Amino acid sequence: QKEVEQDPGPLSVPEGAIVSLNCTYSNSAFQYFMWYRQYSRKGPELLMYTYSSGNKEDGRFTAQVDKSSKYISLFIRDSQPSDSATYLCAMKLGGGTSYGKLTFGQGTILTVHP
Amino acid sequence: DAGVIQSPRHEVTEMGQEVTLRCKPISGHNSLFWYRQTMMRGLELLIYFNNNVPIDDSGMPEDRFSAKMPNASFSTLKIQPSEPRDSAVYFCASTKRGGMNTEAFFGQGTRLTVV
Repeated sequence: QKEVEQDPGPLSVPEGAIVSLNCTYSNSAFQYFMWYRQYSRKGPELLMYTYSSGNKEDGRFTAQVDKSSKYISLFIRDSQPSDSATYLCAMKLGGGTSYGKLTFGQGTILTVHP
Repeated sequence: DAGVIQSPRHEVTEMGQEVTLRCKPISGHNSLFWYRQTMMRGLELLIYFNNNVPIDDSGMPEDRFSAKMPNASFSTLKIQPSEPRDSAVYFCASTKRGGMNTEAFFGQGTRLTVV
């Protein structure tokens, strides 16, 4: 079993839809949770970062973490064609021993069509 | 800052040949990571360095893979001999260790095709 599971999709939605992307994890030592966005033929870029259970909002994006269920989500409101990309969840251990090492989910391919 | 710079962007080589991928991290960053991305397996960590020292190479698939970081501004990932199953996109990422919000910055990747 992988430490981080993510539905690879693909996911296709109309413009303006609310998108929900999800990941589950098995290692309770993960303390920091991130969402990266990767456009075609580009490297991943950090989209959102959180370390506590609950919600964190940034514009049209909301990251949700439920540590008790080992479940994280990313919600995109009013989705736009420019949001079409692969979204990767990533997690990091707490403390100073991980040196920033990230464990990624498989990535979900999202297409928002006009 | 130019970001993490990887070269070459594309590499096509024949099976059995040696392949060397190069990475220049962001100046001031002290951790460097090599990842491999495929459709089947997603983004996998191969090896990472802190202050030029390899910390964990447990993700390196075989002895055919080796990585070095001779100084803070340069790292290489070498595959010798290469095989068709090594075909993937290889990413280098760097981060500045310290604090909670240590964002990893990725390069554009090297798309490797072994025929």
